[in-house]
Amino acid sequence: ETGVTQSPTHLIKTRGQQVTLRCSSQSGHNTVSWYQQALGQGPQFIFQYYREEENGRGNFPPRFSGLQFPNYSSELNVNALELDDSALYLCASSSELRDKGDYGYTFGSGTRLTVV
Amino acid sequence: AQSVTQLGSHVSVSEGALVLLRCNYSSSVPPYLFWYVQYPNQGLQLLLKYTSAATLVKGINGFEAEFKKSETSFHLTKPSAHMSDAAEYFCAVSSTNAGKSTFGDGTTLTVKP
Repeated sequence: ETGVTQSPTHLIKTRGQQVTLRCSSQSGHNTVSWYQQALGQGPQFIFQYYREEENGRGNFPPRFSGLQFPNYSSELNVNALELDDSALYLCASSSELRDKGDYGYTFGSGTRLTVV
Repeated sequence: AQSVTQLGSHVSVSEGALVLLRCNYSSSVPPYLFWYVQYPNQGLQLLLKYTSAATLVKGINGFEAEFKKSETSFHLTKPSAHMSDAAEYFCAVSSTNAGKSTFGDGTTLTVKP
């Protein structure tokens, strides 16, 4: 089975620009979560998508938005980039959404975004 | 609200020694708890998870963790460290599903030969 694939692996943007990050879920997975991991910190939950609908959001401003497509791949869009948006962005997918922790998420290797 | 505190941002052990990585959590509801490992330039790999079954949880690569409700702790241990265990370790808590987890700031494990 294929894993979670994120693209691009690295990119550099200028403050004020917009960026789109992409995530291809593991085959059969219909739930995707996005996290931001700043240098030296743990990942912070941005939002989750289940069957193309947003299913929860962390403490991030509206300029962070997302989409999930019918094939369950996903995008993270960030508008009006700020220097503090520089981070590793991680995507994680799972095959089932239940309000229990007894299943696993598969993480991608992330996209390293640098804002200058 | 939930939070995780990982005590010790850096832990160094000798090869063959006991590994102990500490995690304390705060949660207003019964939590689900996780330990992940992250190698450089890679994503997170799940080591083990607690989901209200057995309090002693065994994971991959010889790691295990014990859920102690009275101490609000979920410390990660391994009896004998290997060089390949050197990595960043994250403890995480969730009150809903694993995809909405709150992570600690991580502990960097160094293994000395």
